[in-house]
Amino acid sequence: DTEVTQTPKHLVMGMTNKKSLKCEQHMGHRAMYWYKQKAKKPPELMFVYSYEKLSINESVPSRFSPECPNSSLLNLHLHALQPEDSALYLCASSQASGDYEQYFGPGTRLTVT
Amino acid sequence: GENVEQHPSTLSVQEGDSAVIKCTYSDSASNYFPWYKQELGKGPQLIIDIRSNVGEKKDQRIAVTLNKTAKHFSLHITETQPEDSAVYFCAASIESGYSTLTFGKGTMLLVSP
Repeated sequence: DTEVTQTPKHLVMGMTNKKSLKCEQHMGHRAMYWYKQKAKKPPELMFVYSYEKLSINESVPSRFSPECPNSSLLNLHLHALQPEDSALYLCASSQASGDYEQYFGPGTRLTVT
Repeated sequence: GENVEQHPSTLSVQEGDSAVIKCTYSDSASNYFPWYKQELGKGPQLIIDIRSNVGEKKDQRIAVTLNKTAKHFSLHITETQPEDSAVYFCAASIESGYSTLTFGKGTMLLVSP
């Protein structure tokens, strides 16, 4: 089973709202990732968690706040977003960071109004 | 850092034809090369990968070849079917530490019945 689940599938939020994206995997993977994908572009890495600790932050604005409550869960907290933040947000996981295949979830389609 | 070029950006074939997508990379230290298929409204799906100690890998109708000297790798799909229509991304990574995937810009494959 290589399933990564993400909720919600779609999210519409105003620029003053606070919302959270959730990601879950039960493959025993110890690395989890957040990516942002704009239309007709490849995924762009945002954050990497390894063994529940933030190991990579690709200079992401502070209005995006990641959290890894345990080895199976990954959250992305959103606050004061801009319309240009509208995108598909993808979660991925791998057995360990740097060494193994990454498996992606279906993504959350975010629209900021 | 690593740079991955992918060609063509769009590829149209007739059902039953073969399709080839090519990628080049810049960092000779890269040693892991996955290919992802992304259907409309879905997350990227890992379809095949190759490591630098292997020159070719096959899985049913898909195959990947790697030329380390020339720093390029290719995806080959034989006997294409309409359900192969999707965007395909190549990527490169150095398998060590907190290495991350560098993606190509993607190829939209259209298979006509």
